[in-house]
Amino acid sequence: DAGVIQSPRHEVTEMGQEVTLRCKPISGHDYLFWYRQTMMRGLELLIYFNNNVPIDDSGMPEDRFSAKMPNASFSTLKIQPSEPRDSAVYFCASKKTVITEAFFGQGTRLTVV
Amino acid sequence: SQQGEEDPQALSIQEGENATMNCSYKTSINSLQWYRQNSGRGLVHLILIRSNEREKHSGRLRVTLDTSKKSSSLLITASRAADTASYFCATDQRGRDDKIIFGKGTRLHILP
Repeated sequence: DAGVIQSPRHEVTEMGQEVTLRCKPISGHDYLFWYRQTMMRGLELLIYFNNNVPIDDSGMPEDRFSAKMPNASFSTLKIQPSEPRDSAVYFCASKKTVITEAFFGQGTRLTVV
Repeated sequence: SQQGEEDPQALSIQEGENATMNCSYKTSINSLQWYRQNSGRGLVHLILIRSNEREKHSGRLRVTLDTSKKSSSLLITASRAADTASYFCATDQRGRDDKIIFGKGTRLHILP
């Protein structure tokens, strides 16, 4: 398996634009997580899914953020409209079941100017 | 919100020395995990310890867990330059054992 695949690796966009981040989890993993990492706030859990169903989105900062998982092999995190304070590295991770390790993608570095 | 909190925030040691990092958490857990992150990369899982375990080893890594104190430690023995990275502890929560929350990490720098 190629691991968790995220795209794009880097994204630079202007304030107000829509941004879509993509993630392909490891095949057979039931859980998918979206995290945001900044120097100030560390690694924050935004939302996670179990069997494609959102379980906890309490970490989503604002209504501008939305996430979907239309099938077991694909998830998106959308920011609309984007703001400079959304600049961060966004990670997707997946795991097979409870009390197991999570596997992380390489992240998407988002810069909003 | 962060569940775990690592200590120290940063650590510099000479190559060959042992490095110890600590993690404290707030709520009851089912398991605790340690991850490593090299600069600009994703996190890599190192070791998982369950709440009914007290100590676990993996190569040069030794993890301890004290649930009465809600704390864990990660010991890296005979450190190498390649161990330079950030180290994070992550916890689930009893009753919510599918949710993984990370601390802010310890930045470890191994001096040649």
